Amino acid sequence: EAEVAQSPRYKITEKSQAVAFWCDPISGHATLYWYRQILGQGPELLVQFQDESVVDDSQLPKDRFSAERLKGVDSTLKIQPAELGDSAMYLCASSPQGLAGFYEQYFGPGTRLTVT
Amino acid sequence: AQSVTQLGSHVSVSEGALVLLRCNYSSSVPPYLFWYVQYPNQGLQLLLKYTTGATLVKGINGFEAEFKKSETSFHLTKPSAHMSDAAEYFCAVSDAAAGTALIFGKGTTLSVSS
Repeated sequence: EAEVAQSPRYKITEKSQAVAFWCDPISGHATLYWYRQILGQGPELLVQFQDESVVDDSQLPKDRFSAERLKGVDSTLKIQPAELGDSAMYLCASSPQGLAGFYEQYFGPGTRLTVT
Repeated sequence: AQSVTQLGSHVSVSEGALVLLRCNYSSSVPPYLFWYVQYPNQGLQLLLKYTTGATLVKGINGFEAEFKKSETSFHLTKPSAHMSDAAEYFCAVSDAAAGTALIFGKGTTLSVSS
């Protein structure tokens, strides 16, 4: 069964350092999402891609976060510099949907980030 | 704007007892509604979803939920809890018209005792 892959699974970094997360969606899925889940809360959308284009990044803290999906396949989320408040689980999800209609989102295992 | 409220951050039941996790939503357009389960340090797994049609939706692992438009609710139930059901459960809503990202509730932790 096809799955969304994420790496690393766990990352510990010091405040002010740069950190990057990688996501490989299910093959053929056009839509890719990055969510952030703070401990004890539900996931919140950071950025949504349709193929290589950003559809929604309204909740992405653009002064320190960046995301790309250059060839419309895998994606990288970067934080520079990391802050203590960035400690969270970063979840990637993919969906075969276009911008019309709906298809299920499939989630990866997440990257647990701890900023010290 | 859409929103989800999960009533009760923590629910405890005995093995074999009824499980009831509550979810209310707010949406200005017909919603798509979902329940996800998350085990520690893992991603989210879809339990069930409501898009259109029958309002009583059956999912995996014996769970079901009923969409009640008049009450703006989508409560999750399971007739008999199993120890393996202990996890975090999230209710989520999506704007059916725009097919956009999910908006999640804060989650309910389900504990099951023997």
